[in-house]
Amino acid sequence: QPVLTQPPSASASLGASVTLTCTLSSGYSNYKVDWYQQRPGKGPRFVMRVGTGGIVGSKGDGIPDRFSVLGSGLNRYLTIENVQEEDESDYHCGADHGSGSNFVYVFGTGTKVTVL
Amino acid sequence: EVQLVESGGGLVQPGGSLRLSCAASGFTFRSYAMNWVRQAPGKGLQWVSAISVSGGNTYYADSVKGRFTISRDDSKNILYLQMNSLRAEDWAVYYCAKEGIIVGRDAFDIWGQGTMVTVSS
Repeated sequence: QPVLTQPPSASASLGASVTLTCTLSSGYSNYKVDWYQQRPGKGPRFVMRVGTGGIVGSKGDGIPDRFSVLGSGLNRYLTIENVQEEDESDYHCGADHGSGSNFVYVFGTGTKVTVL
Repeated sequence: EVQLVESGGGLVQPGGSLRLSCAASGFTFRSYAMNWVRQAPGKGLQWVSAISVSGGNTYYADSVKGRFTISRDDSKNILYLQMNSLRAEDWAVYYCAKEGIIVGRDAFDIWGQGTMVTVSS
């Protein structure tokens, strides 16, 4: 099954941009990845799904246009433009793997975004 | 409003049992696959289990296989997680999450607020 690697932290000044990376392990370059936002003390919130061709399907409810994704090789990116205070959150990436009785869903370790 | 509300968490001794519930509202519960995801204190998310539409197929992470059982009552719009033989490493906030029509095809687009399970003597 794939391993998803995320840097533990990232930061951006108010109004700037930040790009988060989720890296799939070798051999899984065709996998789609889901991004989730988790504000402090809250449950996760779906942001959007990304493949090598970019966004797959629609953004989650209420996700601003400032959020966008790209995919390249083993990397899946989430970019937040014009960062706001409410964007300070943990961001998790996840991917489904297998089918039938072998199905699993794997998450990365998450990236904590700090707004300066 | 689409909503998932978990309940049933609490303090349990190692080896004990607990049943979590997730009440769904605002959408046609019986038409969607459902999942449980947990988060240990200060850690990332870990997928626990999934159940298909109608409950005919269930899936588990290796870490809980044989100890946890996922089920659903479509007449009551409730998802369950029966947890037996609990271990210290099961200590976490447990979230229920709505998926698409088929397990493994869509992202988890709706999440609950979570219920805390503490395993300690």
